[in-house]
This record gives sequence, structure tokens and C-alpha cells, in this order.
Amino acid sequence: GAVVSQHPSRVICKSGTSVKIECRSLDFQATTMFWYRQFPKKSLMLMATSNEGSKATYEQGVEKDKFLINHASLTLSTLTVTSAHPEDSSFYICSARGRGLSYEQYFGPGTRLTVT
Amino acid sequence: RKEVEQDPGPFNVPEGATVAFNCTYSNSASQSFFWYRQDCRKEPKLLMSVYSSGNEDGRFTAQLNRASQYISLLIRDSKLSDSATYLCVVNAAPDQFYFGTGTSLTVIP
Repeated sequence: GAVVSQHPSRVICKSGTSVKIECRSLDFQATTMFWYRQFPKKSLMLMATSNEGSKATYEQGVEKDKFLINHASLTLSTLTVTSAHPEDSSFYICSARGRGLSYEQYFGPGTRLTVT
Repeated sequence: RKEVEQDPGPFNVPEGATVAFNCTYSNSASQSFFWYRQDCRKEPKLLMSVYSSGNEDGRFTAQLNRASQYISLLIRDSKLSDSATYLCVVNAAPDQFYFGTGTSLTVIP
């Protein structure tokens, strides 16, 4: 199956700093990438959908100025959590859907963010 | 009404048992359907796509009932390693995916 990587897998940062998370499709071109966050024992919550070369579409309630998404190429999308606060601590997962891969999503391994 | 509804469980079954999960969806125009498996603190992994004619992969069988708008996953001869959360995902439009809340399965020795 298609492979999606995510980096870093874990990050601990101080309040007020910004953290960038990278999501890469390794063996296919990802026309669409999705960013989710997940709290313990809860379902995935879609944050935004990004298409290569265009602005991300954010879900209601997700602050676009706080969670900056860039999908600059067909293999890379980044999520930057700006001015992080402890309540931003969560598991962030990206997924990618590629041209010609029907509508299956392939997930990255996730990034566990802890803000102290 | 939620786009996708799934019984959260938990389902606790003995090894060797057969267990079935259902998931209902509200958008009759939905085109693609999937079952994912998610282990604790890990990302979801695609288990199977669900086709109109139903499909089987070893001990796993997925079925789609468009008339009643539900999909099902049947696991036969449960193994301890099947313990996980099973997510149903419905694709309503090219970039619109709806996730169920997941069904927790624990297979007991």
C-alpha cells in the first residue's frame, strides 16, 4: 500500500513556541492531504483538508491562524502549530489521498505533541 | 443526525469467536466505504475497502447494504491480535470523508 511518513513522531515544546509537523507521501503523489487531531480514547477530528497549490480548507472551529497548513508540493504538507499552549497537546495525524488511488486515505504514523 | 454512526462497544469476545460490527451512514449519495483498524496510540490503518458485492480477505468479510445504508465487518475465528478499534469511513464526495467513532474490540484468551 501507499506509504505516508510524518515527522517528528514526538515533540515536547514550551508554551508560546511554534512547532512544525511534516507529512510526506513517499511513493505516490498526494493530491489531497488531511490533518486530524485525536484526543485519548476519542475519534479522529478533521482539522483541515489541503490540496496541493491551494489554500487549506479548515473545519469549523479550527483557527487557521493558529494551525498553519502548507501543501507546497505533491508529496509534502506541513502543519505549524503557532504559539502553542498546553491545550494544543494532542496526537496529530495526517493522511493523504493520491491520484489514481481511488478514495482510500493512507495515514501517517502521527505526531504526539506535548506543550509544557 | 451524524453522518456516520457506529456502536462504540466495547465488544469483549473469546478467542475463536465470530464478531460483527455495523456502521450506518446518512448520505445516500456516498460512494466509497472503508474499514480501518486503529491500535492504541497508533494511526489508523486501512483494513479493507467495502465493495457493493461484498468482499472477503481471510477471516474478514465486509458488506455494503445501500438500501439500508449500512456497512458491516465480520471477523471470524477472532485472534488476540484482532484487539483494536475498528473505524468505518464513508466517502461522500471526493474530499469529504466521515469517520465513525470507532468500535472497540477486545479478544480475550
